[in-house]
Amino acid sequence: EVQLLESGGGLVQPGGSLRLSCAASGFTFSNYAMSWVRQAPGKGLEWVSGLTGSGDRTYYADSVRGRFTISRDNSKNTLYLQMNSLRAEDTAVYYCAKDMTSGGNFITRSDYWGQGIVATVSS
Amino acid sequence: IQMTQSPLILSASVGDRVTITCRASQNVNKWLAWYQQKPGKVPNVLISEASILKSGVPSRFSGSGSGTEFTLTISSLQPDDFATYYCQQHNSYPITFGQGTRLEIK
Repeated sequence: EVQLLESGGGLVQPGGSLRLSCAASGFTFSNYAMSWVRQAPGKGLEWVSGLTGSGDRTYYADSVRGRFTISRDNSKNTLYLQMNSLRAEDTAVYYCAKDMTSGGNFITRSDYWGQGIVATVSS
Repeated sequence: IQMTQSPLILSASVGDRVTITCRASQNVNKWLAWYQQKPGKVPNVLISEASILKSGVPSRFSGSGSGTEFTLTISSLQPDDFATYYCQQHNSYPITFGQGTRLEIK
């Protein structure tokens, strides 16, 4: 059974940092691209970042490029999102999502999602 | 690429046929997916590559389109279908979602 478990959220002041983690199990982690998708309170889905199965290629939404860094440790089956220079508008539930397509060379659509972790940016 | 859905809110009754439209600001070929999200739940992918139904998704759901205009149709609404629907393009990075269409009970 595929499981994705996010951790690392919380309350942080504007300008601060958080590091989200997503522990994956139930599938061959390195074979799949992974993404982070967020949802602000009462708002729609926003794709934040993704990376290939090997981690050699990373991609970002314009809203977070230069502030967020996605990475993975395939030996630990874990995905990360380092979030720096946080702003109030980054407040959201952050979901870790597994890509549907095996091979891991492209980020496409997601078939499994974690339950989400809340990140709140406020003074 | 900007994805624009219409309508943003759709009121309908059980048994109705409904259609949601998603327009892309640039050509996304067939690389479009549709998701359903219910309150407090994670999104669930329904359709890939514009028209391919995910295994286990009821056949009353269908998708069509290519290029810049796509539709999601539910042929006969069931009570379980009242939710928010999102389109998503993955033709080019960054991947983008539509704003979502909330399907409400009339």
